[in-house]
Amino acid sequence: AQTVTQSQPEMSVQEAETVTLSCTYDTSENNYYLFWYKQPPSRQMILVIRQEAYKQQNATENRFSVNFQKAAKSFSLKISDSQLGDTAMYFCAFMKHRAVMSDSGAGSYQLTFGKGTKLSVIP
Amino acid sequence: DADVTQTPRNRITKTGKRIMLECSQTKGHDRMYWYRQDPGLGLRLIYYSFDVKDINKGEISDGYSVSRQAQAKFSLSLESAIPNQTALYFCATSDSTDRTPYNEQFFGPGTRLTVL
Repeated sequence: AQTVTQSQPEMSVQEAETVTLSCTYDTSENNYYLFWYKQPPSRQMILVIRQEAYKQQNATENRFSVNFQKAAKSFSLKISDSQLGDTAMYFCAFMKHRAVMSDSGAGSYQLTFGKGTKLSVIP
Repeated sequence: DADVTQTPRNRITKTGKRIMLECSQTKGHDRMYWYRQDPGLGLRLIYYSFDVKDINKGEISDGYSVSRQAQAKFSLSLESAIPNQTALYFCATSDSTDRTPYNEQFFGPGTRLTVL
């Protein structure tokens, strides 16, 4: 079974500064996907960024980027130029690669989430 | 964007009552999921369905049942609600024809359920 650990329950950052959220995971799989989801006070789950484990290049989406260290099983999220709208819960999540899933679909496409990090952006 | 809708958005009920949470989607996706979110625990999978005739248990299915009435509708039932089922419940959908290998899931707005 996969586990995802977010060791920072809460963090804060000044507006316009940079912050890094940590995530580590445990798996015996070689191919998989990692995600960061944002959950603002509206409760909506919003996909922020994703990373394919077979890609060495770190994913980037505008002000959001990741530092993916496969050997260390680490997947941190960096938010640059923090904005008030970035205030939210952030969840790290893991998904197996489609090719390694069983024909029965057991466990297929299941997202395994970390416990979340509450980020507050301070004006 | 109201592609995945959940009703009700909030519900307060009493121990022992039967509760149904409903999820509808207009995305045309064939796969649907129910997750539960507890403070400090992230989201955990309750049930998932790959089509109308395919229902599978997730990580925490005890105390819950589901019904896939149509491709677009997936309901979650608590036959006899108990206080530790107080949580935020999310429905999600994905598309088996999605060419991306990670089969992205799209979440509804959530239902906050309180069992007294």
